[in-house]
Amino acid sequence: GAGVSQTPSNKVTEKGKYVELRCDPISGHTALYWYRQSLGQGPEFLIYFQGTGAADDSGLPNDRFFAVRPEGSVSTLKIQRTERGDSAVYLCASSSQRGLNNEQFFGPGTRLTVL
Amino acid sequence: AQSVTQLGSHVSVSEGALVLLRCNYSSSVPPYLFWYVQYPNQGLQLLLKYTSAATLVKGINGFEAEFKKSETSFHLTKPSAHMSDAAEYFCAVSERTSGTYKYIFGTGTRLKVLA
Repeated sequence: GAGVSQTPSNKVTEKGKYVELRCDPISGHTALYWYRQSLGQGPEFLIYFQGTGAADDSGLPNDRFFAVRPEGSVSTLKIQRTERGDSAVYLCASSSQRGLNNEQFFGPGTRLTVL
Repeated sequence: AQSVTQLGSHVSVSEGALVLLRCNYSSSVPPYLFWYVQYPNQGLQLLLKYTSAATLVKGINGFEAEFKKSETSFHLTKPSAHMSDAAEYFCAVSERTSGTYKYIFGTGTRLKVLA
């Protein structure tokens, strides 16, 4: 079956612009995560959705970052007034259940470059 | 808070040689540990996970990892490296905070396999 997909695969923007990154999770997965992977680092948690609601947004770096999941499936990560430091690979993951031992399935990521 | 340390950001082995990638964790509770592999321009793929059922965990592609509580380690091994094993490997611990289940990743180890 289809895995997690993310669009676009690459996004180049200018400082100060607004960007949207999209994630299509595996069908039926209720849990959805966004992570950010900076160069030379492991992925860092940004936000977690259980269904439509953001259950935990403690990883969002500041209020320029926002994410939605209006129908409990597709999610969009939105970044306002982008800064060069926002350049990273943004990963989306989904999971069928909540729990410490549940596998998260990752998409290929969106590479964001802010010039 | 839990954490994961991966010693060695880059590891090179000859084809056919033993692969050993190190992971140490810090956790005040029994951890759930994961190893993921990331090939270029692809998402993270689960290699194996430890969920307390057995200390020696076998994963895909001939990889295995042993959980050692006394050493707080979960090192990844493969008896004989193959060229196709060249990738980046991430160790992660699953953490529960305020009802959210999320991964805490190490910084990754890039494996190079020499012909």
